[in-house]
Amino acid sequence: GAGVSQSPSNKVTEKGKDVELRCDPISGHTALYWYRQSLGQGLEFLIYFQGNSAPDKSGLPSDRFSAERTGGSVSTLTIQRTQQEDSAVYLCASSYPGLASYEQYFGPGTRLTVT
Amino acid sequence: GQNIDQPTEMTATEGAIVQINCTYQTSGFNGLFWYQQHAGEAPTFLSYNVLDGLEEKGRFSSFLSRSKGYSYLLLKELQMKDSASYLCAVRDSNSGYSTLTFGKGTMLLVSP
Repeated sequence: GAGVSQSPSNKVTEKGKDVELRCDPISGHTALYWYRQSLGQGLEFLIYFQGNSAPDKSGLPSDRFSAERTGGSVSTLTIQRTQQEDSAVYLCASSYPGLASYEQYFGPGTRLTVT
Repeated sequence: GQNIDQPTEMTATEGAIVQINCTYQTSGFNGLFWYQQHAGEAPTFLSYNVLDGLEEKGRFSSFLSRSKGYSYLLLKELQMKDSASYLCAVRDSNSGYSTLTFGKGTMLLVSP
């Protein structure tokens, strides 16, 4: 079946502009996660959605970052007034709580470059 | 909070065996994962350990010792395609089944 998809694959934006990144999780996966990966760094957790519960926003680095998940499926990560330090690969993952391991399946990521 | 340590880089020869170690500190352990990530690609799931011992899956095995806060990933019969970054990640029971904390990854280079 189809895996996690993300769009766009690459995004170049000017400092100060807003950007929206999209994630389509695997059908039936109720849990959705956003991470970012900077060069030479590990994956940094940003936000987690589970069903209709309130999202866990504990990883968002500033109030310029926000995310929504509509209809329990597609998610959008928005970064307002982008800064150069926001340049990174933004990865989305989904998982199915019915699995004991709750393993996460990752999308290909969006490479964001802020100039 | 959590602290996860793994070597930055390792090199090995095709056909050999390599062990990638991971140590962690967490307030409430609830599972350890290994992921493989090829350059420019998404991480893919390799293994999951929640109880002490060895989990074997083909050429790859993963070991966990909860009392020592230690895990390793063992790769046998190395192939060139095994050149990738290997990510150790820990799930904390305080966060339920929500988030994983990842180490910075170990870049493995397999040479002929």
